[in-house]
Amino acid sequence: AQSVTQPDIHITVSEGASLELRCNYSYGATPYLFWYVQSPGQGLQLLLKYFSGDTLVQGIKGFEAEFKRSQSSFNLRKPSVHWSDAAEYFCAVSGGAGNMLTFGGGTRLMVKP
Amino acid sequence: EAGVVQSPRYKIIEKKQPVAFWCNPISGHNTLYWYLQNLGQGPELLIRYENEEAVDDSQLPKDRFSAERLKGVDSTLKIQPAELGDSAVYLCASSPRRDYNEQFFGPGTRLTVL
Repeated sequence: AQSVTQPDIHITVSEGASLELRCNYSYGATPYLFWYVQSPGQGLQLLLKYFSGDTLVQGIKGFEAEFKRSQSSFNLRKPSVHWSDAAEYFCAVSGGAGNMLTFGGGTRLMVKP
Repeated sequence: EAGVVQSPRYKIIEKKQPVAFWCNPISGHNTLYWYLQNLGQGPELLIRYENEEAVDDSQLPKDRFSAERLKGVDSTLKIQPAELGDSAVYLCASSPRRDYNEQFFGPGTRLTVL
């Protein structure tokens, strides 16, 4: 069975600082990987996804993520955080087309002025 | 293009009362999902519809939860009777036919059971 672990429940960064949110997955083959963001009172919005090819994926809002097969990781990064990035971030994995998404527990990001 | 619409956005009820949530998916999306999101956790799938057919309801607590998607468009999720532990956010999502990796989420209904 597939699973996702987000080791950091809460992260606080200063505005303008860089950000890295960790995601580790468990899946027997090459997974499909996703990062979603959820602002308070909102549904989940897809930031980026990895299916195959280049392991560095660019997403919306200046985010990127890197797939590292050897580490079973798909960490999310942003070079300079804005106050509007404060939200909850979810990593998800699926086994490919026709397979369901499994979400991690989420990381809540707080941004200090 | 309108997104996934859910109502109500918030609901407060007393335990043992019934409650219903409504979802209108993106036009043309054949697949509809209901997820449960407990506080501080990621969404967990409750049920998935392909058109009007429930094709995966293995995680739906059938003793108190029911769902329907008449005519393969709108869907309703019902809890009867509600328990304290049902307090959570109920998310609806939709995707094009069988493309489970392109899910679009609604804003959710936050249920509080007192």
